[in-house]
Amino acid sequence: QVQLQESGPGLVKPSETLSLTCTVSGGYISSYYWSWIRQPAGKGLEWIGRIYISGSTNYNPSLKSRVTMSVDTSKNQFSLKVTSVTAADTAVYYCAREGARKGDAFDIWGQGTMVTVSS
Amino acid sequence: DIQMTQSPSSLSASVGDRVTITCRASQSISIYLNWYQQKPGKAPKLLIYAASSLQSGVPSRFSGSGSGTDFTLTISSLQPEDFGTYYCLQSYSPPRSFGQGTKLEIK
Repeated sequence: QVQLQESGPGLVKPSETLSLTCTVSGGYISSYYWSWIRQPAGKGLEWIGRIYISGSTNYNPSLKSRVTMSVDTSKNQFSLKVTSVTAADTAVYYCAREGARKGDAFDIWGQGTMVTVSS
Repeated sequence: DIQMTQSPSSLSASVGDRVTITCRASQSISIYLNWYQQKPGKAPKLLIYAASSLQSGVPSRFSGSGSGTDFTLTISSLQPEDFGTYYCLQSYSPPRSFGQGTKLEIK
């Protein structure tokens, strides 16, 4: 079955750029929206944005100025960049698939990767 | 943007109890409402999608109802493994938005 795996640095310095990649295995990246979601320790879930295989994106307005998403269909991967990070960007970052036949719910999630912003 | 208001923020219940969690949207979202269970250190798990459809593999004691702006997640007979935090998510339009969560404790 389809599985997702996040990867990237676990520590990022303030003002630098956070970069993460999500690798899709067990299936093709085609024909779905793929999202990034984050969760600070002890807090709730925040949707960051999504990307379609065409490259079309939607971002959370609260992060839009700092977020860029991209997709590489040849590698079955999609990526997230967040610029000018601060301690407030410290969180577990999840990638997830929107299930088109599941009311567009996030039906498959990665295990999450912890990113700490600190000097 | 659509705001999701979930209640209660926490609750404690006994095994066998019927538990209800509610989620209200700031505007109509038809049936584009989904429920998740999250346990510590784990990714959220989809329980209910499209307001009332049970995700494959989820026990039938979980059910969802509602449409428009008001939705409910019900656990008909609480089991010890049902502890965790529950979130609603609207998938009607971007930006997607989650409720703030309900932390469920087993007495």
